[in-house]
Amino acid sequence: DTEVTQTPKHLVMGMTNKKSLKCEQHMGHRAMYWYKQKAKKPPELMFVYSYEKLSINESVPSRFSPECPNSSLLNLHLHALQPEDSALYLCASSDRLREYSDTQYFGPGTRLTVL
Amino acid sequence: GDSVTQMEGPVTLSEEAFLTINCTYTATGYPSLFWYVQYPGEGLQLLLKATKADDKGSNKGFEATYRKETTSFHLEKGSVQVSDSAVYFCALRNGGGGNKLTFGTGTQLKVEL
Repeated sequence: DTEVTQTPKHLVMGMTNKKSLKCEQHMGHRAMYWYKQKAKKPPELMFVYSYEKLSINESVPSRFSPECPNSSLLNLHLHALQPEDSALYLCASSDRLREYSDTQYFGPGTRLTVL
Repeated sequence: GDSVTQMEGPVTLSEEAFLTINCTYTATGYPSLFWYVQYPGEGLQLLLKATKADDKGSNKGFEATYRKETTSFHLEKGSVQVSDSAVYFCALRNGGGGNKLTFGTGTQLKVEL
């Protein structure tokens, strides 16, 4: 099973709201990723977690706050977003324990609209 | 730095036509290469991959061969279907920390009856 699930599928929020995106995988993967994808563009890496620790932050504004409570879950907390943050947010995971088993498996994404 | 160049789209084909989507890359070392597909309104799905020179990845009738001499990983399918309509992303992963993927800009494929 190579499934990564994300909730919610769609989210509409105001600029003063606080919301969270959730990602879950049960493949035993120890690396998880958040990407942002604007329309007609490739995904852009935001954060990487490895063994529940933040490994990479691609200079993402602090209004995006990631959290990895355990090896299966990844959250993205949102606060005081701007309309330009509207995008498809994708989660991915990969197994970092075995050499060359570095394929990233993506979830279906959360389509976020900021009003 | 690393980069991936894909042919511009959209590519429009009739059903059962032959498909080629070109992908070339620039990278040091020996990257792994991937094709991902994104259907309308969905996330990315891994289509196929190759981890070393001359490897051929294949899945669902799609194929791509890792050509180090031409730094290419072109995607091909012998007979496309309407259900293949999607955006196709070529990507590479190079060595080093973070398992970062470098994506091409994506190529939209439209298949018509």
